[in-house]
Amino acid sequence: DQQVKQNSPSLSVQEGRISILNCDYTNSMFDYFLWYKKYPAEGPTFLISISSIKDKNEDGRFTVFLNKSAKHLSLHIVPSQPGDSAVYFCAARRVTGNQFYFGTGTSLTVIP
Amino acid sequence: EPEVTQTPSHQVTQMGQEVILRCVPISNHLYFYWYRQILGQKVEFLVSFYNNEISEKSEIFDDQFSVERPDGSNFTLKIRSTKLEDSAMYFCASRWDLPGAGELFFGEGSRLTVL
Repeated sequence: DQQVKQNSPSLSVQEGRISILNCDYTNSMFDYFLWYKKYPAEGPTFLISISSIKDKNEDGRFTVFLNKSAKHLSLHIVPSQPGDSAVYFCAARRVTGNQFYFGTGTSLTVIP
Repeated sequence: EPEVTQTPSHQVTQMGQEVILRCVPISNHLYFYWYRQILGQKVEFLVSFYNNEISEKSEIFDDQFSVERPDGSNFTLKIRSTKLEDSAMYFCASRWDLPGAGELFFGEGSRLTVL
């Protein structure tokens, strides 16, 4: 049962442009959402998170948007840089649990 | 900056052998996790551990798997009798206890190859 879905396995963007990565979830009990970045042969690195009481959180070039009614979140990277090329995972946790549910990842390539 | 450390970085074993993967979580964290990623697939939850006991586990975490925090700093994952399909990257993670929040910090992973 895939509770967190990333429907785009890959995305290519020109350097300097905006990257938008999308994530959908099915469990309305999720209240905390995160984005992780992963390079090959390394562990996932935390990027940014958002609580369900907010609809936007910004940290430098990274902004996460949450649309609870649509059960959808997105990560915007502006401007995109070649070093942003990695696999991005969204994750979610429900209010009463410890488990973090991960999506399948989107591989972002930023073209110089 | 504090980090989660994992050993070994890569282990090759024969099918049926026991394997122990070791992790040192960040020192003031209270929740500990094991995840795995089979090549090209999603990051899958195995188990979470809190207050010296398993708090949640997935269907993957069957009787062949066990976790232990033997000495207050290490957190280990044991696979009793490895199978070919256990070949994966195993990630340890930990987090602090923040109400409604608290991100996971991951280690670099231990690659397990079962032959």
